[in-house]
Amino acid sequence: SSELTQDPVVSVALGQTVRITCQGDSLRSYYASWYQQKPGQAPVLVIYGKNNRPSGIPDRFSGSSSGNTASLTITGAQAEDEADYYCNSRDSSGNLVVFGGGTKLTVL
Amino acid sequence: QVQLQESGPRLVKPSETLSLTCTVSGGSVSSSSYYWNWIRQPPGKGLEWMGYTFYSGSTNYNPSLKSRVTMSVDTSKNQFSLKLNSVTAADTAVYYCASTRRGSYEVDYWGQGTLVTVSS
Repeated sequence: SSELTQDPVVSVALGQTVRITCQGDSLRSYYASWYQQKPGQAPVLVIYGKNNRPSGIPDRFSGSSSGNTASLTITGAQAEDEADYYCNSRDSSGNLVVFGGGTKLTVL
Repeated sequence: QVQLQESGPRLVKPSETLSLTCTVSGGSVSSSSYYWNWIRQPPGKGLEWMGYTFYSGSTNYNPSLKSRVTMSVDTSKNQFSLKLNSVTAADTAVYYCASTRRGSYEVDYWGQGTLVTVSS
């Protein structure tokens, strides 16, 4: 089992806003990073740090954190945002890297 | 722009050793700014961080794999490698090599991944 917990499935209507969450004790001390993975492809970093987007990531993707929960928000979800999303951070000891179990986002 | 490419056998027999190499281009494994990671993903499942190695030879492994895994860097070839011994069917996965900045954990560059199947 992962030290970071994600809802397995989330859905959103096209053009609406969706929040994907990641829970874990280590998130009280460390930010979560977020990755998008489409079928047959390697994951892509979409959010890191407090709320930073790598070059080329649309500004409809944003990150936030409160207590032990980190969130990835997609404002105005597009059909191409349908994918699996993973969070990652450090474990409770701070020494290791961990990933959440992933959330499958469906855009209706 | 760093590019990573995995290579190695795609089929490994149970109880044998899985060996993969990651070739780095557009960057140097001798850099003190990066950790060189291996991450795997069983078919239909989530991502599992296996560990990382550093240019100095230091390593940090996932405790769940620590007894079976070895990672190393070959600066002369600008490559880093993974060895996982005593494999079973549970080790069947897509294996990704990836980079993280030193002191950080966000994976900024990923290889395309290679599916390794453990089967007799």
